[in-house]
Parts: sequence; structure tokens; C-alpha cells
Amino acid sequence: DVQLVESGGGLVKPGGSLRLSCVASGFTFSSYTMNWVRQTPGKGLQWVSSISTSGTYTYYADSLKGRFTISRDNAKNSLYLQINDVRAEDTAIYFCARDRDSYDSTPDCFDVWGQGTVVTVSS
Amino acid sequence: DIQMTQSPSTLSASVGDTVTITCRASQNINLFLAWYQQKPGKAPKVLIYRASTLVSGVPSRFSGSGSATEFTLTISSVQPDDFATYHCQEYSTYQHIFGQGTRLEIK
Repeated sequence: DVQLVESGGGLVKPGGSLRLSCVASGFTFSSYTMNWVRQTPGKGLQWVSSISTSGTYTYYADSLKGRFTISRDNAKNSLYLQINDVRAEDTAIYFCARDRDSYDSTPDCFDVWGQGTVVTVSS
Repeated sequence: DIQMTQSPSTLSASVGDTVTITCRASQNINLFLAWYQQKPGKAPKVLIYRASTLVSGVPSRFSGSGSATEFTLTISSVQPDDFATYHCQEYSTYQHIFGQGTRLEIK
């Protein structure tokens, strides 16, 4: 089965850092652009970042640039999101998601999602 | 930046009704529009992409239409399993803006 499994969420203090992980299975991970999307009750779904198949190209939401770093390890079928200087507004469920079309270098919608990992920022 | 305005925010319907959800883009996004269904505690599930292409396995009562700045999702003859939240998403650029969501509830 095609699957994405996130981990790494939890309770973190403002100003702290954390690294989210997403492990893929059931498909050729290295053939797909991968993404992080977060969801908060107040603001709904918010795309965070995307990374190309090889990791050469990365993209970030304009409002989040600077504190978030996306990366991937195709040998480990893994996607990562490093969040630094976390703020209360980063409290959310973080999903990893796969682009619908493989090897597509243009933006695409997301056809496979993980179950999400919860990040709570609080002192 | 592109803004996506989705309406209504809540929609009440009975089983068998036909309902329509609208998504408006602040600028031309051609056909780069997807619709997702999300149930409580679950990840979103893509229903339609490229404005009107139904994802394999999605019931044909779901349909999408529109182009440029105005898009609609129609559910014909709503079924009990359809009560959920629906999101639109533009993917014309690497900003992937989502609409605010529409909760479809039982009347």
C-alpha cells in the first residue's frame, strides 16, 4: 500500500526547534515532489513547503520563509521539515503529502497524505 | 499573492439534495484547481484536479467545473458519507493556496 507516516511532533517551547519526519512506502519516493502542509482550527489548510525529486529545488510559503527548512533523503525514503524559532502560531497538525504526478516539475495537487503529526508550541 | 475565497463556509443539506460549493481566485489560475474532502481526524482526500477531472474511484456524483477565477464543486444526490469538509486548492504557483473550507452538515 502507498503510505506516508509522519513523526516528530510534540510539545515544544517558544523559541525552540524541532524536526519532523515522514517515511514513505509503497511507491518510488525519489520520483515525486514532496510537500508539507499544516492545518490549524483557525486558519484551515496552509501549504508550508515543497521539494523537488532530487532535492535540488525547494519552495516555501512566503509567510514562513526563514524558519522552515525542507529536505529529503531518497535512500531512506524520507522527507524532513526543520522548524526553528517556533512560535505559538506554528501550533498545528503537520501533514506530508505527495504530488499527484511523478517527475512533474510544475506545481501539482496532492494525492497521498500522511495521517499528520501534531505540533504544540507552549511554555 | 493569490487569494482563494470559498463559499459558503457551512452548508446544510439532506440526503438526496444537490449542493454546490464555490471557489473564487483573486487572479487567473487557468485550470489549476483541486477539490479535497476531509473528515474529522483524517487527512484531506483529493476528489478532483485540473478543475474538472475526477480522481479514479471517486463517485460520479462529484463534479467540478470552472476556469480562470471561478470554480464550483457540485455533489449530486448527497449521500450520508459525503458529510464532511471540502477544501479547494490552487496550484498554479508554488504557493498552493487553499480556500477556507466548507463544512457540509446534515440538515
